[in-house]
Amino acid sequence: GDSVTQMEGPVTLSEEAFLTINCTYTATGYPSLFWYVQYPGEGLQLLLKATKADDKGSNKGFEATYRKETTSFHLEKGSVQVSDSAVYFCALRVGTASKLTFGTGTRLQVTL
Amino acid sequence: KAGVTQTPRYLIKTRGQQVTLSCSPISGHRSVSWYQQTPGQGLQFLFEYFSETQRNKGNFPGRFSGRQFSNSRSEMNVSTLELGDSALYLCASSPSTEQETQYFGPGTRLLVL
Repeated sequence: GDSVTQMEGPVTLSEEAFLTINCTYTATGYPSLFWYVQYPGEGLQLLLKATKADDKGSNKGFEATYRKETTSFHLEKGSVQVSDSAVYFCALRVGTASKLTFGTGTRLQVTL
Repeated sequence: KAGVTQTPRYLIKTRGQQVTLSCSPISGHRSVSWYQQTPGQGLQFLFEYFSETQRNKGNFPGRFSGRQFSNSRSEMNVSTLELGDSALYLCASSPSTEQETQYFGPGTRLLVL
């Protein structure tokens, strides 16, 4: 079946540090890939997405590139802020069904 | 546009009771999906509705059911509640099943005692 594996958290960084959160996937078909973010007490917000190999999704300084050869979609940001503290979920979707398969989430804590 | 709304936001029930959660999608969205979020199992897909029809179902027991109304609002019901049903239940909507971007509501936090 489909699955997503994310690096274990929590990830603790100082403000302005470089962020990488690893995500790899297994899919029965050709997936679309997503990163969602969840702030405390809130639902999920779409951060970025990529629908085909070599696509780069980007938003709010975050980037991720769809790597079909390594089945990966790592999330990066050059300079994190305290306001980026949240839980980040990698997810995939195969075909036209709405079902999203999520990773376990990675908690990011950014300190001053 | 208003976002996805879910009611109630918090709920406390006891084992054996049943519960109904409500989701109002973004105006114009016809697809509604439900997810369960727990610390142990993470985010798991429950089911998806489109035009009042269930299009897809996750691996949950029959105690979990749902429906969608003609105005696209959706409800999910859990009967004979168990302690393990304590979770955050998230609803997501999208314009159609082919649209890839799903917009999530804030969730309903259910505590079963």
